[in-house]
Amino acid sequence: GAGVSQSPRYKVAKRGQDVALRCDPISGHVSLFWYQQALGQGPEFLTYFQNEAQLDKSGLPSDRFFAERPEGSVSTLKIQRTQQEDSAVYLCASSVGTVNTEAFFGQGTRLTVV
Amino acid sequence: AQTVTQSQPEMSVQEAETVTLSCTYDTSENNYYLFWYKQPPSRQMILVIRQEAYKQQNATENRFSVNFQKAAKSFSLKISDSQLGDTAMYFCAFPAGNNRKLIWGLGTSLAVNP
Repeated sequence: GAGVSQSPRYKVAKRGQDVALRCDPISGHVSLFWYQQALGQGPEFLTYFQNEAQLDKSGLPSDRFFAERPEGSVSTLKIQRTQQEDSAVYLCASSVGTVNTEAFFGQGTRLTVV
Repeated sequence: AQTVTQSQPEMSVQEAETVTLSCTYDTSENNYYLFWYKQPPSRQMILVIRQEAYKQQNATENRFSVNFQKAAKSFSLKISDSQLGDTAMYFCAFPAGNNRKLIWGLGTSLAVNP
């Protein structure tokens, strides 16, 4: 596609429910990043993929968070047993090379846990 | 620790005037890149300008330019001839973690007034 696509754009989950957030990066982009952006804050790094390899998951806040990119293109961020503190915008970005090249972002998924 | 500080939570400017957004950072790296991203209400992060730390010349992109002071670890963004469409959150960011992530400031909310 022409840009990074994320779905759904909005998700309301009941506390304890599992959710899956999808990211379609720009075709051919090697690097894929997930960030979490709380209201009024800057993005916080969650995890990084180079093709299908998850090279850095140091930002995942707990073992309830899991990300995958099995074929090196589409990525899914899964959150199990959601908690209210998981409420945030989840941003996905992709780039041709390393983080020093321009990252293209999707419009994010706003997750609200009630 | 690598950090980014944006000390101006909110700023406003009249249309057609010039405004400068400040950013300071801390890193032990010698060669790195610095970025300014814009986030309009649509939530999609858009790259505004990028500066390579080893280049002495300040980067310029049309109405956007930076004042990069490497010794002072300062990286301010100047917007000339401000337009209504410049209204957005502006984030300063730089790579960290072996170039596997971006570290972001808290952002500056810029309002361009007619």
